[in-house]
Amino acid sequence: EPEVTQTPSHQVTQMGQEVILRCVPISNHLYFYWYRQILGQKVEFLVSFYNNEISEKSEIFDDQFSVERPDGSNFTLKIRSTKLEDSAMYFCACTWEVEKLFFGSGTQLSVL
Amino acid sequence: GENVEQHPSTLSVQEGDSAVIKCTYSDSASNYFPWYKQELGKRPQLIIDIRSNVGEKKDQRIAVTLNKTAKHFSLHITETQPEDSAVYFCAASMVGARQLTFGSGTQLTVLP
Repeated sequence: EPEVTQTPSHQVTQMGQEVILRCVPISNHLYFYWYRQILGQKVEFLVSFYNNEISEKSEIFDDQFSVERPDGSNFTLKIRSTKLEDSAMYFCACTWEVEKLFFGSGTQLSVL
Repeated sequence: GENVEQHPSTLSVQEGDSAVIKCTYSDSASNYFPWYKQELGKRPQLIIDIRSNVGEKKDQRIAVTLNKTAKHFSLHITETQPEDSAVYFCAASMVGARQLTFGSGTQLTVLP
């Protein structure tokens, strides 16, 4: 299975602070995604990225969130002014073969 | 948008028995149906997938069936082993949508 690496593995922040989550995708990926999973719940789609542009985003992905590709290869997910309900596991994911989605190792975000 | 329902939420079986997890989807345009296994604290991992032009697919002890008319698909695990214990998620995606909609998950426990 292709390796998709995320950092940090755990992030603790105070409510109202900004956090940046990072992901190193598969080098020849097709689509790139951010998903989140609140503890004990299902995986929820946030945003997808194709050809250096956002291709789709969910209702969850509001102005509090942004995605960037700062160095042309890695991706970041920025969450501004974090809220308690932002606490979740955040996964980046890539498609390698068409439609086969592979998840990163995840970042557990805890907002206190 | 797409809605995926998954049942049961928990399932306990004796080692060696079979396990069946069922999902229904709402949008007849969906054409790709993967299943993911998620062990505690880890990333979801793709275990098998099926496209709408196929009614059944098998990979060793795992099989998936798809009924397009009824809009449901099922995961079958035979000869279950303790290491099969995990949360299993079904998902669906629509043509052109690219992003997966996940079911709520099934906690499978295989009792030795």
